[in-house]
Amino acid sequence: AAGVIQSPRHLIKEKRETATLKCYPIPRHDTVYWYQQGPGQDPQFLISFYEKMQSDKGSIPDRFSAQQFSDYHSELNMSSLELGDSALYFCASSPYGTDETQYFGPGTRLLVL
Amino acid sequence: AQSVSQHNHHVILSEAASLELGCNYSYGGTVNLFWYVQYPGQHLQLLLKYFSGDPLVKGIKGFEAEFIKSKFSFNLRKPSVQWSDTAEYFCAVNARSGGGADGLTFGKGTHLIIQP
Repeated sequence: AAGVIQSPRHLIKEKRETATLKCYPIPRHDTVYWYQQGPGQDPQFLISFYEKMQSDKGSIPDRFSAQQFSDYHSELNMSSLELGDSALYFCASSPYGTDETQYFGPGTRLLVL
Repeated sequence: AQSVSQHNHHVILSEAASLELGCNYSYGGTVNLFWYVQYPGQHLQLLLKYFSGDPLVKGIKGFEAEFIKSKFSFNLRKPSVQWSDTAEYFCAVNARSGGGADGLTFGKGTHLIIQP
């Protein structure tokens, strides 16, 4: 079965640089979620989108922004990167209205030097 | 806002032992409940979920969980663990919204080690 696709899988950036992470949901899933998991930590919800509109907002820093496009893929834009942004960033998707289960992608491992 | 508490941060068992991982949540409304497993270096995989109906739910790999509403609990069980069950286990909840775009609140996780 098709799964959530995230790119890139690994990313190395310098402090103060910007990064863009991409997420392609499971086909026919119209809702996308972003999570941040620091080393040895539980995943923290950042933001979610349904039909290109922001649906729920968690602990997303102001330096981060995200959007969902007409093909339902989503991008997380991170600016002025800090050392503390080093983490695993997961995207999840779900089919709105029929099944509230979130299916997770493999994640993007971001290292900020 | 919801919160999730997992009682055991580290659990070490021998193969064939029985497993029970505790999970309690705090929320005033109706919730969806999940258990996810994360094998070393891998992404979160759904073990099982509870939305409504029979409070005893069965998931993959022989896992099951029981929702006890009066105790705000959703404990994970497996009668006989295997070495391959070594992983991090997360309990998670979100508010039941009727549509489904609410973010999940995770517990701190339980690191389970199964000794051969």
